[in-house]
Amino acid sequence: NAGVTQTPKFQVLKTGQSMTLQCAQDMNHEYMSWYRQDPGMGLRLIHYSVGAGITDQGEVPNGYNVSRSTTEDFPLRLLSAAPSQTSVYFCASSYTTANTGELFFGEGSRLTVL
Amino acid sequence: GDSVTQMEGPVTLSEEAFLTINCTYTATGYPSLFWYVQYPGEGLQLLLKATKADDKGSNKGFEATYRKETTSFHLEKGSVQVSDSAVYFCALSDVGNTDKLIFGTGTRLQVFP
Repeated sequence: NAGVTQTPKFQVLKTGQSMTLQCAQDMNHEYMSWYRQDPGMGLRLIHYSVGAGITDQGEVPNGYNVSRSTTEDFPLRLLSAAPSQTSVYFCASSYTTANTGELFFGEGSRLTVL
Repeated sequence: GDSVTQMEGPVTLSEEAFLTINCTYTATGYPSLFWYVQYPGEGLQLLLKATKADDKGSNKGFEATYRKETTSFHLEKGSVQVSDSAVYFCALSDVGNTDKLIFGTGTRLQVFP
């Protein structure tokens, strides 16, 4: 059972570079989301999607783009990386909405921006 | 807006000790409440949940009761094990938007033999 798969697990970028964090799930979940985890701040929602073709902003969307062309994939794009985006990023999915079902998390992607 | 406040860690206990991790919340309505656990090097996983007042969620020996009168959802376990060492997150559903969970800052638990 693959569950939620994130790649890469580690990445180092220079300020201004762009990159995409990949997230794929094989559970046919409609809901997918991206969180960032920072010390002392818990998890903060970046973007989420309730189905293919539908995305919406979370708490901290600035500097990030998402798209949902398929049910399985939900990539997170950093357009021009900044040191403030150094964080651990988690992708999570759920069969229905976030609060009624169980959120399944990937193992995380640790990003460092120099 | 809605928010969750957790006790700061780390919480350090000996094996077989009693555990309490405090969680209080602020919400305009009646959210669902959750505890998630993150083991070292892994993503979060749901530990237990409660969807209405006075509900008790339980799993793996952990329990938490949804207390509307004190706006609390404290996590308890009667006898912790070394394998319970992890970070525990309290979370609530955003009453205004069912597609969002709001997480606390997490509490690290360290259990020593």
